[in-house]
Amino acid sequence: EIVLTQSPATLSLSPGERATLSCRASQSVSSSLAWYQQKPGQAPRLLIYDASNRATGIPARFSGSGSGTDFTLTISSLEPEDFAVYYCQQRRIWPITFGQGTRLEIK
Amino acid sequence: EVQLLDSGGGLVQPGGSLRLSCVASGFTFSSYGLTWVRQAPGKGLEWVSTISSSGGTTFYADSVRGRFTISRDSFKNTLYLQMNSLRAEDTAVYYCARGGSTDYNNYYSWGQGTLVTVSS
Repeated sequence: EIVLTQSPATLSLSPGERATLSCRASQSVSSSLAWYQQKPGQAPRLLIYDASNRATGIPARFSGSGSGTDFTLTISSLEPEDFAVYYCQQRRIWPITFGQGTRLEIK
Repeated sequence: EVQLLDSGGGLVQPGGSLRLSCVASGFTFSSYGLTWVRQAPGKGLEWVSTISSSGGTTFYADSVRGRFTISRDSFKNTLYLQMNSLRAEDTAVYYCARGGSTDYNNYYSWGQGTLVTVSS
């Protein structure tokens, strides 16, 4: 099973700042990595798929990069609605696995 | 617009059974893989099971294999999860999710979730 480790566990930033979230895989997942955003009481929402492709309707301030074992989700300038929990997920090898999440909170 | 409507959750005793449903609309049901993902209270996301677009191929997490069965009905545009021998650790919100036409496991759309509580 591929283990995805997200860091940091919690990130405290202010609106307008840049956020950088990390996801490291225990073995290569090539580019088969996605990022999701989840707000309290809501279902997750796909932000980025295949490491760097923005899903439909996702603002350009969200970007993804990386391949192999190291991946980054960047939010260029935080908006108030971006404060949420973010998960990475790999689909390279069964079973599908998610990271434990990074909580992005308002500083 | 793609819509997924989860239902069927509730309170069940350990060892009991429950069947979850997910009614889909807004897309060609038979063209997409479908998945169940769960989230225990206050915890992260856990993949549970995936079924191919044809229904001919299924995948399960080790934690549910042999107890849960995923299936789909193209006439009713509905995804199911039959859950047997339920345990306390199965308590979670269960989401159905739709993948891509070729990339089953990028979850582009999600249901609102249905809560399953396993307790005596």
